[in-house]
Amino acid sequence: EAGVAQSPRYKIIEKRQSVAFWCNPISGHATLYWYQQILGQGPKLLIQFQNNGVVDDSQLPKDRFSAERLKGVDSTLKIQPAKLEDSAVYLCASSGTGRNIQYFGAGTRLSVL
Amino acid sequence: QKEVEQNSGPLSVPEGAIASLNCTYSDRGSQSFFWYRQYSGKSPELIMSIYSNGDKEDGRFTAQLNKASQYVSLLIRDSQPSDSATYLCGNQGGKLIFGQGTELSVKP
Repeated sequence: EAGVAQSPRYKIIEKRQSVAFWCNPISGHATLYWYQQILGQGPKLLIQFQNNGVVDDSQLPKDRFSAERLKGVDSTLKIQPAKLEDSAVYLCASSGTGRNIQYFGAGTRLSVL
Repeated sequence: QKEVEQNSGPLSVPEGAIASLNCTYSDRGSQSFFWYRQYSGKSPELIMSIYSNGDKEDGRFTAQLNKASQYVSLLIRDSQPSDSATYLCGNQGGKLIFGQGTELSVKP
């Protein structure tokens, strides 16, 4: 069974530029999560989707971050405009039914210069 | 106030020893508790989940949960250098909240 796929693996941008990350969850997983992990910290949930609906986006900085999951499968996370403090690893995870165990993708490491 | 607290470490143990990792949480409504291992530069991978008070064993790993004390721990027996990583404690009431992680170093 294929795991959670993310791209790109690395991205370097200048502040005020925009960037987008893509995630494809494990086949059949209805729930998809985007996390931000700053160096030395645990992952912080940005947004959670159940199919194509948003369950929780309380910690998403909505003035600059947006996310969508139009067909209930793939998802994109966008930052526009980026700030220096957005430098982090952006992790996508998915979970199926039952105990909500989350499986993580490899992440995208973003550096904002 | 942090919702999940872990000692950041680093915790250093000799090879073959028992490593003890601890975590406290504030959400009394949490039902599910997880330990993830994260190697440097890699994504978190689940190593243990626990849902009921008491102990749960899986190979060299034992998770312990005490809901009354809002405390969850992970014991790693016969620690190996390959266990050197950051261990993330997570608890899920509504959403999954992670601690900051404990860095474990197992010295040969």
